[in-house]
Amino acid sequence: QKEVEQNSGPLSVPEGAIASLNCTYSDRGSQSFFWYRQYSGKSPELIMFIYSNGDKEDGRFTAQLNKASQYVSLLIRDSQPSDSATYLCAVKATSGGYQKVTFGIGTKLQVIP
Amino acid sequence: DTGVSQNPRHKITKRGQNVTFRCDPISEHNRLYWYRQTLGQGPEFLTYFQNEAQLEKSRLLSDRFSAERPKGSFSTLEIQRTEQGDSAMYLCASSWDYNEQFFGPGTRLTVL
Repeated sequence: QKEVEQNSGPLSVPEGAIASLNCTYSDRGSQSFFWYRQYSGKSPELIMFIYSNGDKEDGRFTAQLNKASQYVSLLIRDSQPSDSATYLCAVKATSGGYQKVTFGIGTKLQVIP
Repeated sequence: DTGVSQNPRHKITKRGQNVTFRCDPISEHNRLYWYRQTLGQGPEFLTYFQNEAQLEKSRLLSDRFSAERPKGSFSTLEIQRTEQGDSAMYLCASSWDYNEQFFGPGTRLTVL
């Protein structure tokens, strides 16, 4: 089982719709969860992070965390063509006294005009 | 200081040659990370530093790879005797303590 799992996609949504991106993780000791956006050929760009169960909203983005289910998601409201990118889920845990961040393979989102 | 910078942005080398990449983190950040990313994959952790100390190194990192952060500021990643399988994007990120990481633009390595 991979430590951080994401569906590679592509996930296609029409412009203006809600895009829902999902991520599951295996380490129950995971503490922090991050969503990065990566355009083709570019480096990852931090969108949001979440530490506590529940929802966290920032503009059109909402991160949702359920530690009991080991599940984190990202909702993008009013999707725009400029949102088309790969979305990486990253999970941070402390192992052996050291911080460890593990990334999923990313979900490719396509917003259709 | 506008962010993490990496040099060079692109490197083409022949198999067997040595290459060195540089990363300049955000100035107030004490942690610096190196990742490798291949097409269709997420960033793969290589190593990280807290100040000048290298605290963790991935088991995936062979002896041909070495990283330094001599004064706790910039870092270098050297790959000796490059192989075609080393072709990838090498990403550097920095953070303040355990907070979120910010990535540089990456160095794309092509080994012929």
